[in-house]
Amino acid sequence: QQQVKQSPQSLIVQKGGISIINCAYENTAFDYFPWYQQFPGKGPALLIAIRPDVSEKKEGRFTISFNKSAKQFSLHIMDSQPGDSATYFCAASPSSGGGADGLTFGKGTHLIIQP
Amino acid sequence: KAGVTQTPRYLIKTRGQQVTLSCSPISGHRSVSWYQQTPGQGLQFLFEYFSETQRNKGNFPGRFSGRQFSNSRSEMNVSTLELGDSALYLCASSFTSGYTGELFFGEGSRLTVL
Repeated sequence: QQQVKQSPQSLIVQKGGISIINCAYENTAFDYFPWYQQFPGKGPALLIAIRPDVSEKKEGRFTISFNKSAKQFSLHIMDSQPGDSATYFCAASPSSGGGADGLTFGKGTHLIIQP
Repeated sequence: KAGVTQTPRYLIKTRGQQVTLSCSPISGHRSVSWYQQTPGQGLQFLFEYFSETQRNKGNFPGRFSGRQFSNSRSEMNVSTLELGDSALYLCASSFTSGYTGELFFGEGSRLTVL
């Protein structure tokens, strides 16, 4: 059962454009929503995270938008750069922990920024 | 500060064999989680250890097991290997629980089962 659905699978954006990746979740117990960035040959690295008490969080060029009622959250990368080319994973978990899912990841978005 | 170290980085096994993967977490981190990454299924949670105790286990068969030592280093073992076990196995450490704290991933151990 896929509890976090991520789209699109792949995305090509021109340099300087806005990259948008969307995720939707089902489990209402989820209350921690991180995004991870993975470069080829490397492990994922935390990019930015949000909790449902805020609707938006911005760190530099990266912004998470969160819609609790729709159970959706998205990552926006402003002024996208070739160095942003990577695979991005959204994830979710209940802060109370427990269960068999750990941190539940979406299936990833392969982002290519064309120069 | 050294990152998460996983060994071996690459290995090839044949069906029916067993394999042990090792993970050294960041110094001071007490939680170690293991994930399996495949192109089709993405990142799937295997288990989490905290202070030598398994806290949670994902939906994997009993052939997948793990343990954590007193120095927080962790190992995972897969017995009776199947072709479908070919994957990148990622270890992640965190200071607190892997659910709400930042996970620091290693570069993974890439297992190929022939």
